[in-house]
Amino acid sequence: DIQMTQSPSSLSASVGDRVTITCRASRSIRTYLNWYQQKPGQVPKLLIFDGSTLHSGVASRFSGSGSGTEFTLTINSLQPEDFATYSCQQTYSTPRTFGQGTKLEIK
Amino acid sequence: QVQLQQWGAGLLKPSETLSLTCAVSGGSFSGYYWNWIRQPPGKGLEWIGDITHTGSTNDNPSLQSRVTISVDTSTGQFSLKLNSVTAADTAVYFCARGSPATGDAMDVWGQGTTVTVSS
Repeated sequence: DIQMTQSPSSLSASVGDRVTITCRASRSIRTYLNWYQQKPGQVPKLLIFDGSTLHSGVASRFSGSGSGTEFTLTINSLQPEDFATYSCQQTYSTPRTFGQGTKLEIK
Repeated sequence: QVQLQQWGAGLLKPSETLSLTCAVSGGSFSGYYWNWIRQPPGKGLEWIGDITHTGSTNDNPSLQSRVTISVDTSTGQFSLKLNSVTAADTAVYFCARGSPATGDAMDVWGQGTTVTVSS
């Protein structure tokens, strides 16, 4: 199985800040890396697929980069609605593993 | 607009079989991966397995062959069975669509079903 490791596990930031979350794969997954946002009690929402492609309807302040084993999710100019948990997932191979999640909290 | 509606028993006793169904509406059933994912309380997401419209499946070896995923193309539904449940299987279970257009990322999700295993 491919292990996905996110850092940090939690993060405090203020509205207007720029934040970066990292996801590392235990072996190369090319660009088969997706990012999801989940708010408490809600269903996960796809933000980015293929490492850097913004899903339809997602705000342009979200961006993704990386390939191989290291990936980043960047949120520019944090908005109040961005405080949530972010999870990466690889779809390079099965089982389609997720990272443990990064909880983004308001400072 | 594709929607997934899921249902199933929410309270089980240890050793029973979890059974959930997800109905697809508003879109094609073929050409996608139909996934089951779960999330234990306060924890991250765990992929359980998937199925195509032809019935081809993949599942997570961590579940030790307790998983059966099936599909009924005539009704546009797919189902999950997880046998011999324990308290460790307590989680919110989601169905989701994996789309080739998004590198098999899960772009449409069901509403989630809370399953509690308790004696």
